[in-house]
Amino acid sequence: AQTVTQSQPEMSVQEAETVTLSCTYDTSESDYYLFWYKQPPSRQMILVIRQEAYKQQNATENRFSVNFQKAAKSFSLKISDSQLGDAAMYFCAYRSGGGGADGLTFGKGTHLIIQP
Amino acid sequence: NAGVMQNPRHLVRRRGQEARLRCSPMKGHSHVYWYRQLPEEGLKFMVYLQKENIIDESGMPKERFSAEFPKEGPSILRIQQVVRGDSAAYFCASSPFQGQNNEKLFFGSGTQLSVL
Repeated sequence: AQTVTQSQPEMSVQEAETVTLSCTYDTSESDYYLFWYKQPPSRQMILVIRQEAYKQQNATENRFSVNFQKAAKSFSLKISDSQLGDAAMYFCAYRSGGGGADGLTFGKGTHLIIQP
Repeated sequence: NAGVMQNPRHLVRRRGQEARLRCSPMKGHSHVYWYRQLPEEGLKFMVYLQKENIIDESGMPKERFSAEFPKEGPSILRIQQVVRGDSAAYFCASSPFQGQNNEKLFFGSGTQLSVL
């Protein structure tokens, strides 16, 4: 079974600064997908960014980028120029690429606080 | 195009009562996933359904829990004889197709179930 670990229960960053959220995972599969989801107080789960394991290039979405280290099974999220609206819970998630019906496996989340 | 709609947003039940949670997927989506989120935890997969079929229910407790996704109408997650441990946020997600595993899951805002 796959596991996803987020070792930082809480992170704090000054507005406009850069912050990196850590995520590691454990799998024996070679084909899979990784995601970062944002959950603000409204509880809505919002997809921030995703990475296909077969792609070496790190995914980027505006101020959000990932550092994907496949050999180390690490998938960190970097948020540049942090904004107050970035304050939320962030969840790292894994999905098998095996073509089955697997859902997402989530980490426990990191609570990101933005200091004005 | 409306997103994934879940209702009710909050549901309060007394121990022993039944809880019915409804999910209407995005228009054109025929695949529905249910997840449960306990306090301070990530989302945990419960069940995956296509229209009229349960594809994977490996994450759903065998007792008291059931799910359906009829040909017409929303998907229903039903919890019979609720206990305090069932208190959690229940999320529904939908996707337009299965097999191409990098498809995004679109989440609803969840139903917060509180068992008194």
